[in-house]
Amino acid sequence: GAGVSQSPRYKVAKRGQDVALRCDPISGHVSLFWYQQALGQGPEFLTYFQNEAQLDKSGLPSDRFFAERPEGSVSTLKIQRTQQEDSAVYLCASSLSQGLGYTFGSGTRLTVV
Amino acid sequence: AQTVTQSQPEMSVQEAETVTLSCTYDTSESNYYLFWYKQPPSRQMILVIRQEAYKQQNATENRFSVNFQKAAKSFSLKISDSQLGDTAMYFCAFMRGTDKLIFGTGTRLQVFP
Repeated sequence: GAGVSQSPRYKVAKRGQDVALRCDPISGHVSLFWYQQALGQGPEFLTYFQNEAQLDKSGLPSDRFFAERPEGSVSTLKIQRTQQEDSAVYLCASSLSQGLGYTFGSGTRLTVV
Repeated sequence: AQTVTQSQPEMSVQEAETVTLSCTYDTSESNYYLFWYKQPPSRQMILVIRQEAYKQQNATENRFSVNFQKAAKSFSLKISDSQLGDTAMYFCAFMRGTDKLIFGTGTRLQVFP
């Protein structure tokens, strides 16, 4: 597609519920990143894929967070047993070459109530 | 660890005037990239300008230019002839080689008519 597509745009989850956030990167982009952006803050790195390989997951805040990209294109970020502190905007970005910068999607705003 | 600091939480400027947003960073690396991203209310992070650390010449993109001072670890963004559409959050970001983006906390820019 022309840009990075994320769905849903908004998600409200009850505490303890599992959620799945989807990212559809630009076709041909090898690198895919997930970031978490709390209200009033800059985005913080969660995890990075190169094709289907998850090369860095050092930013995942707990073992409740899990990401996958099984065929090297679409990626899913899953959060199990959501908690209030998980409320944030989750941004996905893809890149053809990292030195050129990333193209970001519009994010999913997750609210845990 | 690398850090990015944006010391101006909010800035305002009148339409057609010039404004400069500040950014400093801390790193021991010699090879890295610096970026300015714009985030309007739509939440999508839009790349404004990029700078390669090994290039001494300051990057320019139309009305946007940077003042890159490598020794001082400073990377400010100048917006000339400000337009109402420039109203947004602006994030400075650092990337080491093929690593992830590290963002500052952002500066909220308001352009007044």
